[in-house]
Amino acid sequence: GQNIDQPTEMTATEGAIVQINCTYQTSGFNGLFWYQQHAGEAPTFLSYNVLDGLEEKGRFSSFLSRSKGYSYLLLKELQMKDSASYLCAVWITGGGNKLTFGTGTQLKVEL
Amino acid sequence: DSGVTQTPKHLITATGQRVTLRCSPRSGDLSVYWYQQSLDQGLQFLIQYYNGEERAKGNILERFSAQQFPDLHSELNLSSLELGDSALYFCASARSNYGYTFGSGTRLTVV
Repeated sequence: GQNIDQPTEMTATEGAIVQINCTYQTSGFNGLFWYQQHAGEAPTFLSYNVLDGLEEKGRFSSFLSRSKGYSYLLLKELQMKDSASYLCAVWITGGGNKLTFGTGTQLKVEL
Repeated sequence: DSGVTQTPKHLITATGQRVTLRCSPRSGDLSVYWYQQSLDQGLQFLIQYYNGEERAKGNILERFSAQQFPDLHSELNLSSLELGDSALYFCASARSNYGYTFGSGTRLTVV
């Protein structure tokens, strides 16, 4: 089966850096995605890793280690608007290609 | 605007009733996915269609069914509704192995 774990909640201070971890155990792995979701809204794409290493995109970076089944999302220079749920998702191939999501990490940014 | 259109945005109905949720994928996307997100729950995969054919099935109840039409729009039918079916229902479309684009969702409330 598929298993994706990430912390339920995190709190950080405006202007700081926060790292959200995700571990996974899946078969048919073909990439890892991070999405941001504000309450009641649709998830929006943040990043995609298919090879090991760090992908940087502005204030957001994502890292992947396929051998360890591990990823993290790094958010720098936190802003209040970054308060949201961050979803780790694994792209699974075989039997239909689809994203399997973790339950999300609710990030609260405080002053 | 993500390019994925879901209607209606909100739906309130009584237990035992039947509803139809509609999704139009982004132009050029052949795959449509349906997800359910209950309060404090992660995104649960329901079903995938690709170019009119069912490709993958997740934890979809027998009371639920879906189809994708020749113009690629999709409908999710929910019948014999129960209070526990109250949730956000998201449709997403994809063109390749680079993740999804989500619609804005339909909030279903069963009373």
